[in-house]
Amino acid sequence: EPEVTQTPSHQVTQMGQEVILRCVPISNHLYFYWYRQILGQKVEFLVSFYNNEISEKSEIFDDQFSVERPDGSNFTLKIRSTKLEDSAMYFCASSKDRISTDTQYFGPGTRLTVL
Amino acid sequence: EDQVTQSPEALRLQEGESSSLNCSYTVSGLRGLFWYRQDPGKGPEFLFTLYSAGEEKEKERLKATLTKKESFLHITAPKPEDSATYLCAVPPKFGNEKLTFGTGTRLTIIP
Repeated sequence: EPEVTQTPSHQVTQMGQEVILRCVPISNHLYFYWYRQILGQKVEFLVSFYNNEISEKSEIFDDQFSVERPDGSNFTLKIRSTKLEDSAMYFCASSKDRISTDTQYFGPGTRLTVL
Repeated sequence: EDQVTQSPEALRLQEGESSSLNCSYTVSGLRGLFWYRQDPGKGPEFLFTLYSAGEEKEKERLKATLTKKESFLHITAPKPEDSATYLCAVPPKFGNEKLTFGTGTRLTIIP
């Protein structure tokens, strides 16, 4: 069964450093998402991406964050200058169609630890 | 703002003891209600989507139902491997594709 994959599984970085989290969505999916989950808290939406552009972003997704689909298979989340409060699990998700007719499938996550 | 509230926060059951988890939502014009299972340190795993009041979906020992204000996840004769956090999520009424998640119910099944 096709699944969303994410790398790395765990990333440790120093405050102020740039990190790139990578995702390979399910191959025939067209909508891509990033969510995050701070330890013990809810899963929170960050950004959605369709047709090579951001379709929606949350208040969390400020200028420090960017997303890119550099080729036909990868979807990346970049944090330019990490802060302590960016420590969280980051989940990539994808769906074939809009939410009214299809489901978002999540990857296993990348645990980001900012020291 | 759309709200999703799950109860209880945590539930401990003996193996074989059936129960129900609740998800109530305030979004009007529901475009779908999603149930996911999340194991510790893992991503949400899709279980069910419900689109209209009265709809029911089943998978093994789980059955999800939907009314106009809430959804229930019924677990029948659970086994220890059903232990996980169960999340429900809804999209907003219009437009974008983001999901708003509840805080989840942490289910523990004791052998």
